[in-house]
Amino acid sequence: QKEVEQNSGPLSVPEGAIASLNCTYSDRGSQSFFWYRQYSGKSPELIMSIYSNGDKEDGRFTAQLNKASQYVSLLIRDSQPSDSATYLCAVFSGTYKYIFGTGTRLKVLA
Amino acid sequence: EAGVTQFPSHSVIEKGQTVTLRCDPISGHDNLYWYRRVMGKEIKFLLHFVKESKQDESGMPNNRFLAERTGGTYSTLKVQPAELEDSGVYFCASSQGDSGELFFGEGSRLTVL
Repeated sequence: QKEVEQNSGPLSVPEGAIASLNCTYSDRGSQSFFWYRQYSGKSPELIMSIYSNGDKEDGRFTAQLNKASQYVSLLIRDSQPSDSATYLCAVFSGTYKYIFGTGTRLKVLA
Repeated sequence: EAGVTQFPSHSVIEKGQTVTLRCDPISGHDNLYWYRRVMGKEIKFLLHFVKESKQDESGMPNNRFLAERTGGTYSTLKVQPAELEDSGVYFCASSQGDSGELFFGEGSRLTVL
């Protein structure tokens, strides 16, 4: 089992729809959870961090964390073509390492 | 303030040659990480410096890879001799605290022919 798992996609959604990106992790000692966005050929850029169970909203983005289920998700409301990118889930594990998933490629169709 | 900078942005070398990648973290960031992304795979941890000390180098693939961070400022990652499977994008990232935001550099793309 991979330490951080994501569906590689592509996930295609129409413009204006909600995009839902999911991530599961294996280390129950994980402390912090991050979503990074990476455009092709560019470096990952942090868009959301979440540390406790529940929802955290920032503009069109909502991160959800459920530590009991070892699950973290990212919702993007009113998706725009400019949101098309690869979204990386990262977990700061109990071994003091950031572990990344493979990323989910999102395509927002105009 | 300057972000994390990496050099070179792209390097093309032949198998058996040596390449040295450099990373300048954000000033004041004690934590410096090297990651590698091979085509189609996840970003993989290589190693972690806290100031000039190697905190964790469990991700280093083999002894052909050598990382240094003299003086706790910039870091270098040397690959000697390079093999075909070393091709990929090498990212450097820095952070201030232990579990805070990672700031990534643009990456150094290594192509080994």
